[in-house]
Amino acid sequence: KNQVEQSPQSLIILEGKNCTLQCNYTVSPFSNLRWYKQDTGRGPVSLTIMTFSENTKSNGRYTATLDADTKQSSLHITASQLSDSASYICVVSDRGSTLGRLYFGRGTQLTVWP
Amino acid sequence: DAGITQSPRHKVTETGTPVTLRCHQTENHRYMYWYRQDPGHGLRLIHYSYGVKDTDKGEVSDGYSVSRSKTEDFLLTLESATSSQTSVYFCAISEAGQSYGYTFGSGTRLTVV
Repeated sequence: KNQVEQSPQSLIILEGKNCTLQCNYTVSPFSNLRWYKQDTGRGPVSLTIMTFSENTKSNGRYTATLDADTKQSSLHITASQLSDSASYICVVSDRGSTLGRLYFGRGTQLTVWP
Repeated sequence: DAGITQSPRHKVTETGTPVTLRCHQTENHRYMYWYRQDPGHGLRLIHYSYGVKDTDKGEVSDGYSVSRSKTEDFLLTLESATSSQTSVYFCAISEAGQSYGYTFGSGTRLTVV
């Protein structure tokens, strides 16, 4: 069964600290993996998208890694800011059809305290 | 969110009444999607469209219908709203299908009482 599991479910850190969010998936055949940031009351916004051959991709203070062999990804946030408080969603796309299908994790709720 | 607008942003309706949510895009993207987001669940696909008048069901399509008469508009209709359809609904657009870039709207919070 194709699934995407994220951990932890929630996380509280102090402003300026680093943190790492985890994503494990069983989706096959794999096409790409994306991380989205969703602010409260808003739609998800893409942070990174990685294909099978990419191990690391950065977007400012956000760095995503992908290990396609172990089917794991992480999102590392450096020097956190209050504006990083949001839900972070891992999404995996398969190649099972022409249109592909997206599998969504339930998200990690990050709270950054001053 | 640039290029994609959902309306209304909030709606409260009574059980048994019909409800239509609208998604409007200015990007001329071929693919449009409707998702619902509920606590404890990831986003779940309701219906999608791959062109004008071309639509198909997603994983949670029961109780929902869609229409796309123009490239820019994708309507989601709840024929007879139920309390289980209380949710936040997101529209998304994509130029080349789900395996490629996605843009989400800001969502519609629907409450069925």
